[in-house]
Amino acid sequence: AQTVTQSQPEMSVQEAETVTLSCTYDTSESDYYLFWYKQPPSRQMILVIRQEAYKQQNATENRFSVNFQKAAKSFSLKISDSQLGDAAMYFCAYRRVNRDDKIIFGKGTRLHILP
Amino acid sequence: DTGVSQDPRHKITKRGQNVTFRCDPISEHNRLYWYRQTLGQGPEFLTYFQNEAQLEKSRLLSDRFSAERPKGSFSTLEIQRTEQGDSAMYLCASSRTPLEQYFGPGTRLTVT
Repeated sequence: AQTVTQSQPEMSVQEAETVTLSCTYDTSESDYYLFWYKQPPSRQMILVIRQEAYKQQNATENRFSVNFQKAAKSFSLKISDSQLGDAAMYFCAYRRVNRDDKIIFGKGTRLHILP
Repeated sequence: DTGVSQDPRHKITKRGQNVTFRCDPISEHNRLYWYRQTLGQGPEFLTYFQNEAQLEKSRLLSDRFSAERPKGSFSTLEIQRTEQGDSAMYLCASSRTPLEQYFGPGTRLTVT
């Protein structure tokens, strides 16, 4: 069975600094998608960034980038120039390709931004 | 597009009562998903519809849970004979492609 592990329940970063959130996953599939979702307090979950496993190039979206290490089954999220609005729960997630469509989530990392 | 909407946003019920939640997906999204999120955990998959067909159900979905999506539009999730362990946030998501799921604000259920 596929699993997603986030080993950092909470992290803090100074505003304008860079922070990296860790995620590892376990799967026997060769093709899959990985995601980072953001869930601000009392607000709905939104997609931050997506990585397709067949792509070697790491995905980037403005201040957000990932370090995808397929052999190590590692998928970390780097947030540059942290802003107060980045404070949220961040969930790492996995989905198989061309199978069922469910997403498997990790337990999340709560990110605090210190002014 | 308006986003995914869920109703009600909060529900408090007594143990043993039945509750029903509604999800309205983004227009033209043929895929609809239900997840459950308990405190301190990530969302856990419950069930998935493609159009009106329920294609997968998690083992988390006991016989007390039923979901429908008549005509492939909105969906309802009913919990019969609620238990305290059912207290959670129930999230709905929709998508047009497998690449991204758009989540609603959730319905927070408290069973007393």
